[in-house]
Amino acid sequence: EAGVAQSPRYKIIEKRQSVAFWCNPISGHATLYWYQQILGQGPKLLIQFQNNGVVDDSQLPKDRFSAERLKGVDSTLKIQPAKLEDSAVYLCASSWGGYEQFFGPGTRLTVL
Amino acid sequence: AQKITQTQPGMFVQEKEAVTLDCTYDTSDQSYGLFWYKQPSSGEMIFLIYQGSYDEQNATEGRYSLNFQKARKSANLVISASQLGDSAMYFCAMREGRDRDDKIIFGKGTRLHILP
Repeated sequence: EAGVAQSPRYKIIEKRQSVAFWCNPISGHATLYWYQQILGQGPKLLIQFQNNGVVDDSQLPKDRFSAERLKGVDSTLKIQPAKLEDSAVYLCASSWGGYEQFFGPGTRLTVL
Repeated sequence: AQKITQTQPGMFVQEKEAVTLDCTYDTSDQSYGLFWYKQPSSGEMIFLIYQGSYDEQNATEGRYSLNFQKARKSANLVISASQLGDSAMYFCAMREGRDRDDKIIFGKGTRLHILP
C-alpha cells in the first residue's frame, strides 16, 4: 500500500513570495490533515478535511494561508505572502476513521 | 495550560537498557485517546502505540508499552531493550472526544539518544 505522498520535499523562498505544497493521501482515506512543525516543537494542526469539507481550520492563519481538497482526494496548502516565521516542516496526514493517522515525509520550507 | 507535557527535552540511554519517556496530559473529557509517535531524523512521523481512555489494560506493541495511569493523567512510553535505531524524537499526543477523526494535540517531544 502506497503511503502519503508530499511534494516538494524542500523549498526555499524569499519573504513575501508565495508557495504551494501538495499532498496525496492514502487511497480511500476520507480525512486529511495539514500540520505545521516548527523546529524544536511538536506538529500543530493547521486544517482538517473530511472528504471535501473543512472540519477544523481554527489554527490556520487565514490572512495568508489557504488550503483546498479537490474531489476529496489530493490537497494543496498555499502561503501567500510568506513570512520568516513560516519556516517549518509542513506535514500531511490521512486517516480512514480509525485512530491512527498516517503521515507523509513532509515539506521543509525555509523563508529567507 | 498545556494539554500535553513532556518534561524531558533529551535523554541518553545505553543500548539494551529499558527507557521510560514521560508524558502527562490535561483534559476534562471522559473519552480521549493517547498516542506516541516516533520521528527519526528523516522527518516522517511513525505511529508507535495507542491507548484509549476506557481501555483497562495498558497497550503494548512489541518492544513498546504504554504505562497508563489515569488518575495521575500520565501516559509514559516504555521501550524495552533499546536499540541504536531507537534514537529519534518521540512525541506524546492526545485526541479529545469520541470521534476518531478529531484533531490530535502533540507535546513538544523528547529527543532520545541510544549510546552503543
